[in-house]
Amino acid sequence: NAGVTQTPKFQVLKTGQSMTLQCAQDMNHEYMSWYRQDPGMGLRLIHYSVGAGITDQGEVPNGYNVSRSTTEDFPLRLLSAAPSQTSVYFCASRGPGYGLETQYFGPGTRLLVL
Amino acid sequence: DAKTTQPPSMDCAEGRAANLPCNHSTISGNEYVYWYRQIHSQGPQYIIHGLKNNETNEMASLIITEDRKSSTLILPHATLRDTAVYYCIVRVAGSNYQLIWGAGTKLIIKP
Repeated sequence: NAGVTQTPKFQVLKTGQSMTLQCAQDMNHEYMSWYRQDPGMGLRLIHYSVGAGITDQGEVPNGYNVSRSTTEDFPLRLLSAAPSQTSVYFCASRGPGYGLETQYFGPGTRLLVL
Repeated sequence: DAKTTQPPSMDCAEGRAANLPCNHSTISGNEYVYWYRQIHSQGPQYIIHGLKNNETNEMASLIITEDRKSSTLILPHATLRDTAVYYCIVRVAGSNYQLIWGAGTKLIIKP
């Protein structure tokens, strides 16, 4: 199993550009989520999904869109990039248990918005 | 979910036990204490969790005070690879993904 994969690893954007961060998992997990992590801070939840076709907002959803057309993929779209979106983005998935212990994180995408 | 308070940084000598404290004075009866760590900006890694009894696994031990207002994560024989940021998180079992992550404790293991 590859686990949770994210692409790209690093991206530079200009203000106003749009892009999609890709996330895929091969563990047949129903639950997937996106977090952002700013320097020296903990993770903040952007959006999450409890299954294909179902998404919901987290703590900081503004400026981001998600969709979940398949169990495996959960892309995050930046509609019009802003410098405030410079951050490291982590995708995570978890199995059917309720606990955090079943949550797996991807390696992260480092985004710089100029 | 209750808020947690951790020291921003700690040092520990290699081979010694590392004891990381966490304060969660507003924890409620159905909230679990979880510990995660993040090594060098990688994705967070689960360590251990507990409700009120002390817990131990192959990575660490978790000691929760009787009043549940604080806990301590113990890495019994710290190695250089344990250098990481350690996060203490409190959440309700079965709740959704509305989690609050603090800044954590930066643990530096020194040779």
